[in-house]
Amino acid sequence: QQKVQQSPESLTVSEGAMASLNCTFSDGTSNNFRWYRQHSAKGLEVLVSIFSDGEKEEGRFTAHLNRANLHVSLHIREPQPSDSAVYLCAVSMLMDSNYQLIWGSGTKLIIKP
Amino acid sequence: EAAVTQSPRNKVAVTGGKVTLSCNQTNNHNNMYWYRQDTGHGLRLIHYSYGAGSTEKGDIPDGYKASRPSQENFSLILELATPSQTSVYFCASGDAWVQDTQYFGPGTRLLVL
Repeated sequence: QQKVQQSPESLTVSEGAMASLNCTFSDGTSNNFRWYRQHSAKGLEVLVSIFSDGEKEEGRFTAHLNRANLHVSLHIREPQPSDSAVYLCAVSMLMDSNYQLIWGSGTKLIIKP
Repeated sequence: EAAVTQSPRNKVAVTGGKVTLSCNQTNNHNNMYWYRQDTGHGLRLIHYSYGAGSTEKGDIPDGYKASRPSQENFSLILELATPSQTSVYFCASGDAWVQDTQYFGPGTRLLVL
């Protein structure tokens, strides 16, 4: 049973339309959430970090956190073909008295010109 | 310039051979991590380090050793490589344990024949 699940696995969006990605987690006491982006054959880069319920905006990227619903989302405004990548959700969870970073399996985003 | 670099970027090894993957960071971060990424599993933590001289086991340490001879360098060692260790390996650095953003290298693609 995965503690962090992302949906959808794959998403195709037209250039300029909003792209929305979802991440659900199993522990409502988690307080540290990040979205990373991974372009093909490259490392990960952090996009947005969010630590409390509500919204956090970083340029065209906005994260929404609702811990009561165990849900954090990423919205990409006016996506461009260069935003085509795999997007990963990372959640810090308290496990066995230590914080562990749990990663989702990713959403593959394709932006069509 | 890239703050986390990995070498080699691609490696082909034979079963039973020794493989060393190297990572260097110029972020002056205390913590460094080694992950592997496989389809369907997301990122899985192999070993990590709190600073020079320290190495700790992550979630999947079997078959791997790590070495942190200095603040900047962190190596992953496969003493007896097996085909199941074919994967993409990422090194990352961060300031605080999992609560802080991690900065990733470009990855090493390892094929064990």
